Amino acid sequence: GAVVSQHPSRVICKSGTSVKIECRSLDFQATTMFWYRQFPKKSLMLMATSNEGSKATYEQGVEKDKFLINHASLTLSTLTVTSAHPEDSSFYICSASKGTLNNEQFFGPGTRLTVL
Amino acid sequence: DAKTTQPPSMDCAEGRAANLPCNHSTISGNEYVYWYRQIHSQGPQYIIHGLKNNETNEMASLIITEDRKSSTLILPHATLRDTAVYYCIVTYSSASKIIFGSGTRLSIRP
Repeated sequence: GAVVSQHPSRVICKSGTSVKIECRSLDFQATTMFWYRQFPKKSLMLMATSNEGSKATYEQGVEKDKFLINHASLTLSTLTVTSAHPEDSSFYICSASKGTLNNEQFFGPGTRLTVL
Repeated sequence: DAKTTQPPSMDCAEGRAANLPCNHSTISGNEYVYWYRQIHSQGPQYIIHGLKNNETNEMASLIITEDRKSSTLILPHATLRDTAVYYCIVTYSSASKIIFGSGTRLSIRP
């Protein structure tokens, strides 16, 4: 299989605090990982592309200083939501690609963030 | 922007085939058609993909028109567990980013 995990599955935090979400590929090495955000009843919105050992590439309109991404190894990428506010409450989903010709992406189960 | 157009919702009777259409009239020659689905509050799940030829796996069949401007995902015997939002995506291979459109919300009637 190709399993991607996320931790935590849900988190509640106070406004102004920072929250770190981990994305791990459990049984394969992921050269590229992607971070998405999904609001209720909406589609997934790509936030950034994360390549191991290099800086993430952010989509237009996504603040890189607000959403810090670190891809320190071939099996782990982290997304840190800094100084979270209620409008950052959302479902955050990561995916990982093996980087082969088949572009199948393997998605994590998602992390539900609620900022009070 | 997403390069695909899908109906916002569809329904299908349990046990019947569910046929989900997708238009991708601006697809380029080396772009693939991928289908994913998302069951409520879960991460998306890969279903199938193709370039030119029709494809079949244990989950579904993918029919791509000869001009490649549209495709149809077929779930041969829909069950209640197939209730989900289905996304048709056009993308290059080799770890290219995926842009999700609005998808089709498929409801299965008992």
